[in-house]
Amino acid sequence: GAGVSQTPSNKVTEKGKYVELRCDPISGHTALYWYRQSLGQGPEFLIYFQGTGAADDSGLPNDRFFAVRPEGSVSTLKIQRTERGDSAVYLCASSVQENSYNEQFFGPGTRLTVL
Amino acid sequence: EDKVVQSPLSLVVHEGDTVTLNCSYEVTNFRSLLWYKQEKKAPTFLFMLTSSGIEKKSGRLSSILDKKELFSILNITATQTGDSAVYLCAVRSGGGADGLTFGKGTHLIIQP
Repeated sequence: GAGVSQTPSNKVTEKGKYVELRCDPISGHTALYWYRQSLGQGPEFLIYFQGTGAADDSGLPNDRFFAVRPEGSVSTLKIQRTERGDSAVYLCASSVQENSYNEQFFGPGTRLTVL
Repeated sequence: EDKVVQSPLSLVVHEGDTVTLNCSYEVTNFRSLLWYKQEKKAPTFLFMLTSSGIEKKSGRLSSILDKKELFSILNITATQTGDSAVYLCAVRSGGGADGLTFGKGTHLIIQP
């Protein structure tokens, strides 16, 4: 079946603007994760959803970052007042259910560039 | 704070060589260790390890975990140019956050 999809694949914006990044998880996957990957680094955990609720948002860097998953499927990561330091690849992953023994399947990411 | 350290950070070898990639970790309440291969964008899953001493194998790739010494290795034998990628190690802990903690990755280049 289809894997995790993310749109847009690339987003260029200006400092101070608002952006939304979308993630479509694998059908039937109840757990959804957002990560941020800067150049030369491994992915860094941002937030995790189990169903519609954010079970853990401890990785969000500040209150400019927010994510929703209103119907328990598609998720949107929202960044307000973007800064140049927000430039990175934003990866989404999903897994069958929250379980420490299920692997996470990653999408291709959205490359965000803040000018 | 959970920590994952991978070594080497980069490695260049010739086709046909065998490579060993290292991953050491410090986590509270360890649950599992995962290896991913990242070529262009999406990391693709390779292995998940939960028990010490049990080798996981898939073709020319294999991996093993040592929970006493807190490390894992990923071996690739008879390397091919298609093995060129960044190999990421990640751990999952039960310390509250259910996301994975990743290392910086090993950038592997296989020269023909």
